Amino acid sequence: NAGVMQNPRHLVRRRGQEARLRCSPMKGHSHVYWYRQLPEEGLKFMVYLQKENIIDESGMPKERFSAEFPKEGPSILRIQQVVRGDSAAYFCASSPPRAGGRSSYNEQFFGPGTRLTVL
Amino acid sequence: AQSVTQLDSHVSVSEGTPVLLRCNYSSSYSPSLFWYVQHPNKGLQLLLKYTSAATLVKGINGFEAEFKKSETSFHLTKPSAHMSDAAEYFCVVSDSSSASKIIFGSGTRLSIRP
Repeated sequence: NAGVMQNPRHLVRRRGQEARLRCSPMKGHSHVYWYRQLPEEGLKFMVYLQKENIIDESGMPKERFSAEFPKEGPSILRIQQVVRGDSAAYFCASSPPRAGGRSSYNEQFFGPGTRLTVL
Repeated sequence: AQSVTQLDSHVSVSEGTPVLLRCNYSSSYSPSLFWYVQHPNKGLQLLLKYTSAATLVKGINGFEAEFKKSETSFHLTKPSAHMSDAAEYFCVVSDSSSASKIIFGSGTRLSIRP
């Protein structure tokens, strides 16, 4: 059973370009989470998605950032008109359908991350 | 609101000596608490988790952590450090009221001296 896959592993963009980061969850997992890690910091929650639905986007910047998790295919984190401050590692995690109701915690399995560098 | 504080940004120990990585949490609900490890240029791996069962939790690679409600702490320990333990360690809290969101501490970098 393959783990969470992220690609590309490294992405270089110039200011003003678009960055598209992909995440394929583990088999059987229908929940996807995106996190951003700035240098020397912990991971910061960005968005939580289920298939075709955004459940919680309270950590997403209001502009230029969007995320989707279509019925078919990987989850995509899209950053438009990138700026130098977007340089970071972006991690995706997935978890299986929640077994114990809304309040139970499902372990999140993390991918290797995509390191975005904006020149 | 929930939060987690890792008291040391960097810990250095000699190989074969005990490891202690400190973590304090703040939560208005019964928290779930976790420790994750991140090796250089790798993703995160779950070391152990506390979800209101036994307060002493054993994890992988010989690590364990004890949940102390009176001290709001969840420190990570290992009796004898190994060179392969060198990595970044994150203490994480998840409130039962919002299980979709987990909050990471700022991390502790563990170095092992030969």
